[in-house]
Amino acid sequence: GAVVSQHPSRVICKSGTSVKIECRSLDFQATTMFWYRQFPKQSLMLMATSNEGSKATYEQGVEKDKFLINHASLTLSTLTVTSAHPEDSSFYICSARLHSYNEQFFGPGTRLTVL
Amino acid sequence: QQQVKQSPQSLIVQKGGISIINCAYENTAFDYFPWYQQFPGKGPALLIAIRPDVSEKKEGRFTISFNKSAKQFSLHIMDSQPGDSATYFCAASSRGSRLTFGEGTQLTVNP
Repeated sequence: GAVVSQHPSRVICKSGTSVKIECRSLDFQATTMFWYRQFPKQSLMLMATSNEGSKATYEQGVEKDKFLINHASLTLSTLTVTSAHPEDSSFYICSARLHSYNEQFFGPGTRLTVL
Repeated sequence: QQQVKQSPQSLIVQKGGISIINCAYENTAFDYFPWYQQFPGKGPALLIAIRPDVSEKKEGRFTISFNKSAKQFSLHIMDSQPGDSATYFCAASSRGSRLTFGEGTQLTVNP
């Protein structure tokens, strides 16, 4: 099956620092990757859609200058949380879509804790 | 119109029983309906998916039933096992568009 990896799985940082999370599709080329945020006992909230070689499309209410997304290749997308604050602490999950037939495969998630 | 409503919010089933989770949608353009299983601290895993040209799809103990006229679809887990205890999300999308997720169902299977 299609495998998506994320790195790191957990990160703890101090308030004001920046954190980069990597998302890789390991065995397929993903033209589109998605970034989600999930709070405890809640559903997934889409933050942005990332297409290879173009700017990400952010959902309403998501600050694009705070959550920087780069999708430089068909197998790698990165999310950088800039000037992180405690309220940014959450579970961040990426997914990659196998062409346009909608099958999305999710990464294992990254637990971000901002002190 | 983009909402997907999922019920119940939580479900407790005895080992060997049938777990049933329901979802309803409004957007008739949706043509892809996956179910995801998520364990605590992990990302969602694609469990099974259906397209509206069929009314049922079965993979092992997992079955999706799809009712196009009622705009509803459901997940049935036969012979439920304690290892099935997880949160289940239904979702829907139309081709090329984002997934719209249900609110999730926390399933507990008692031994």
